[in-house]
Amino acid sequence: DQQVKQNSPSLSVQEGRISILNCDYTNSMFDYFLWYKKYPAEGPTFLISISSIKDKNEDGRFTVFLNKSAKHLSLHIVPSQPGDSAVYFCAASGWNNDMRFGAGTRLTVKP
Amino acid sequence: GAGVSQSPSNKVTEKGKDVELRCDPISGHTALYWYRQSLGQGLEFLIYFQGNSAPDKSGLPSDRFSAERTGGSVSTLTIQRTQQEDSAVYLCASSLTGSNTEAFFGQGTRLTVV
Repeated sequence: DQQVKQNSPSLSVQEGRISILNCDYTNSMFDYFLWYKKYPAEGPTFLISISSIKDKNEDGRFTVFLNKSAKHLSLHIVPSQPGDSAVYFCAASGWNNDMRFGAGTRLTVKP
Repeated sequence: GAGVSQSPSNKVTEKGKDVELRCDPISGHTALYWYRQSLGQGLEFLIYFQGNSAPDKSGLPSDRFSAERTGGSVSTLTIQRTQQEDSAVYLCASSLTGSNTEAFFGQGTRLTVV
């Protein structure tokens, strides 16, 4: 069951522009959402999170937006840098605290 | 201050053999997760341990897969009678409480079944 969906397998943006990565979820019991970044041959690393009581969380160049009514969240990276090129995973957890991930979006930032 | 440690980092096994993958979580973390990533795929949830509670095994793909967490720390994922479709990177993660906290991942074990 695909409870967390990232419908764009890849995204390419120019350096300096905004990258917007999207994520949808189906389980209304999810109340905590996270974004992870993964480089090849490494484990995912935590990037930013948001609780369901908020609709926005910002950390430097990274902002996560949550739209609970639409069961949608997005990650904005601005300005994008070549070092941001990686696979980005959206994750969600709920009452039982296990964490489900989306399929990932491969971001390429071109110099 | 070590992170999550997984061993081995690579494992090649013959079809039909059993394998054991080990995960050492961050000390003090009560929650532990196993995921796998097949080639070109996302992170597939396998199993979740939280403290002394019964594990959430809902992601295990077949009864050939099992996992233990001894003493609330080290975890072992066992795959019996391995099949070629079991080839993947198996990732372990731990988090402090499992509740509204981020999880920290190990480097993964790349399993290849030949």
